[in-house]
Amino acid sequence: SQTIHQWPATLVQPVGSPLSLECTVEGTSNPNLYWYRQAAGRGLQLLFYSVGIGQISSEVPQNLSASRPQDRQFILSSKKLLLSDSGFYLCACWGQETQYFGPGTRLLVL
Amino acid sequence: QKEVEQNSGPLSVPEGAIASLNCTYSDRGSQSFFWYRQYSGKSPELIMSIYSNGDKEDGRFTAQLNKASQYVSLLIRDSQPSDSATYLCAVGGTDNYGQNFVFGPGTRLSVLP
Repeated sequence: SQTIHQWPATLVQPVGSPLSLECTVEGTSNPNLYWYRQAAGRGLQLLFYSVGIGQISSEVPQNLSASRPQDRQFILSSKKLLLSDSGFYLCACWGQETQYFGPGTRLLVL
Repeated sequence: QKEVEQNSGPLSVPEGAIASLNCTYSDRGSQSFFWYRQYSGKSPELIMSIYSNGDKEDGRFTAQLNKASQYVSLLIRDSQPSDSATYLCAVGGTDNYGQNFVFGPGTRLSVLP
């Protein structure tokens, strides 16, 4: 079964600063990967998904972007963070007909 | 646009009671159904899956599916305070790659000692 790593675990960033969150997956090859954001007390918002290297689909237009430079690496980025970017960022991997989540990154934008 | 709906709660039940969590979905072609549990500050973890009409039991958990009514439920018997969490319903489509996978907003369950 796959293992999903995310880092950092927590991050405090000022408004207007850049962002880079990393997700790596072990135990599987060519996985479908997903980035979700969960605002405090809210549900999961799908941001991006990727079916392979260099292949990114965006679900919500915003100041975030994603990249998949390697088969088991998925990166979420921003050039300038907004206050509204605060939240819990989850990377997920498709396997056995459902999604499995990494431990998440908690981002606070001040 | 596929939709998955859940009551946001909170649903409060006393310890030892049965907690009943409900979920409805809009896409009649949906094929797979899942329940996740999410503790505060943690990521969601899969607890149940169901693919056919009827009941599926796993320990204290029972998932129920009624495709005609487009309704999925999760029953938790002998509820414990450790069951207090948000429960997310997820619905999958006919594809094998998860592009049509949709989560509901979640129901917050509180089990009172």
